[in-house]
Parts: sequence; structure tokens; C-alpha cells
Amino acid sequence: NAGVTQTPKFQVLKTGQSMTLQCAQDMNHNSMYWYRQDPGMGLRLIYYSASEGTTDKGEVPNGYNVSRLNKREFSLRLESAAPSQTSVYFCASIGQGARNYGYTFGSGTRLTIV
Amino acid sequence: AQSVTQPDIHITVSEGASLELRCNYSYGATPYLFWYVQSPGQGLQLLLKYFSGDTLVQGIKGFEAEFKRSQSSFNLRKPSVHWSDAAEYFCAVGAEAGTALIFGKGTTLSVSS
Repeated sequence: NAGVTQTPKFQVLKTGQSMTLQCAQDMNHNSMYWYRQDPGMGLRLIYYSASEGTTDKGEVPNGYNVSRLNKREFSLRLESAAPSQTSVYFCASIGQGARNYGYTFGSGTRLTIV
Repeated sequence: AQSVTQPDIHITVSEGASLELRCNYSYGATPYLFWYVQSPGQGLQLLLKYFSGDTLVQGIKGFEAEFKRSQSSFNLRKPSVHWSDAAEYFCAVGAEAGTALIFGKGTTLSVSS
């Protein structure tokens, strides 16, 4: 099925460990995004990639890095996990043009740092 | 810069009653406006969007929203709520096609029997 696929769905890390969250879309979208969702805070943009080969910081980039591996894949890396990074992470992509504008979201990664 | 306010953090509605969730935006020009729904433990699903034309927009699951430029609002409505509508609802605004959306902090809807 066409859409955005995130892996893993759940992960528990120890403080200081590293990991990479994977995201892939098969809709030929140019733009991809990483958000974190915390209770009462809504969705906050971490990083985005407007096109293959480009990445930019969002609202809350500290402690994260990203890689736009190709047009399909956009990964999020935590180099040294901290308890404050416990959150639900969503990847999204945007369709081209006004009529297709709007996010398609992945199902999320629930990440717990202990 | 654009912003979105959802004034109600939590709303409880009786099953079968009507629903209106409020959304106010701040943006100088005509924005792109969206409503998303998130069921517990799930991702976000697009309910409807407005980008031009008719200010009353129909979406999935029987929802509709009306864009009111004079009030900078894009309120979501449903005539008769079902228990399965219990979820979190997010309003979002976009400045131009292809750019990042800005989300409100969400409204949690509970449905009582």
C-alpha cells in the first residue's frame, strides 16, 4: 500500500545509547519531515528535507541529526539519547501542488529513554 | 509567521449530539487549512482541507469545516457524534503548497453514552 513506513514501532533505549529511526515513502514526494509529539505540546518539527540532498532544522533540532538518503528515505538519528527525548516520533511527506498539499504521516515510533 | 490556536484542550460530547471544535489561525494571506484526527496509539489521518473556493469543506467520516476569513477561523463540525469519534483532533495551517505545516496543540474529544 502506498504511504509512509516507519521503523521501528517501539524502542527502549538506555541514556547515552544511539539509534536511527527509519522512514520511507513510496509516493514520489519531494518533501519529508520529522516531528515529535509530546502530551500537551502538539507536534513539533525536528528537521525537514525539502528535496533530495537538502535538510534543514525545525523548531526542536538539538540532539538529533538527519540524513536524506535518497528521494524515498529520510532517517532521524539520536547520537546520545537523553530521557528528554522520550516521545512519539512521526515522519511525514508532502505531495506536490496545491491540490495534493498536506501531510501523509507514518504510524509513528514510540521511543522511551531510561 | 503563521500560528494556530485550538482554545479547547478537552471536550466531552454525548453520543448523538452535535460537535464543534474551534480553530483560529494567524496568517496574513489566505492560508491552507487542515484538520487531522489521531486515534489512541495511531498516526494522524487527514479529515479535510481548505485551500480555495467554497468555504464549507466536506471531509471523511461525516465531518465538515467552514473557513471564515473575517474571524480567522476554521472550525470543525459534525451533526451527530459517534463513540468511535473519540480521538485527538489537530488543526494545522500552511503558508504555501509544499511547505511545513504548523499545528495547534490539539483538542481531545471524549464521547459519553
